[in-house]
Amino acid sequence: DTGVSQNPRHKITKRGQNVTFRCDPISEHNRLYWYRQTLGQGPEFLTYFQNEAQLEKSRLLSDRFSAERPKGSFSTLEIQRTEQGDSAMYLCASSLELAMGETQYFGPGTRLLVL
Amino acid sequence: QKEVEQNSGPLSVPEGAIASLNCTYSDRGSQSFFWYRQYSGKSPELIMFIYSNGDKEDGRFTAQLNKASQYVSLLIRDSQPSDSATYLCAVNPGNQFYFGTGTSLTVIP
Repeated sequence: DTGVSQNPRHKITKRGQNVTFRCDPISEHNRLYWYRQTLGQGPEFLTYFQNEAQLEKSRLLSDRFSAERPKGSFSTLEIQRTEQGDSAMYLCASSLELAMGETQYFGPGTRLLVL
Repeated sequence: QKEVEQNSGPLSVPEGAIASLNCTYSDRGSQSFFWYRQYSGKSPELIMFIYSNGDKEDGRFTAQLNKASQYVSLLIRDSQPSDSATYLCAVNPGNQFYFGTGTSLTVIP
């Protein structure tokens, strides 16, 4: 499978615990995005990387959230001291920036439930 | 004002009919536009992208873009029950992707 992969697919945790999600993008894609999606809403932008550089981070993103892409390949998203409001689907997407534009492909997502 | 606006629906059409989904966006500098299909509990799947004014056809799908009106639409011809899903419109003004809340489509057999 050469698409975007995410692990784990599901995570149940207790409030206050830390969680980490992993995303493996399509290999030749230089951009990687993280989104959060709740029921009835579209994906909400969290942050994105171009290669290993984190270029933009949502102003809405709490400092409990941190993301890395250490070698410009896979990325991790960590949520510290989870809260019930963090329960959502966390989506990763990758894209290749071309002269004509950029087309983004999503992974299957990680569904987080904070009890 | 939200960056991308969609009618949340639900939109119901009979099998074989044309489904028309609409989206407006606020950033006049937007250059690329996308339609994603999302089945319940699944992640969004790219079905169409369009960069230029006019129509772009791919099988049963046609995307229409009117930059002057800041409007993009998706037509689904010969709708099938398997097209029942939420359709997300996304716009990229150059720095990131903005998504609408999606339109729920039900195709009735």
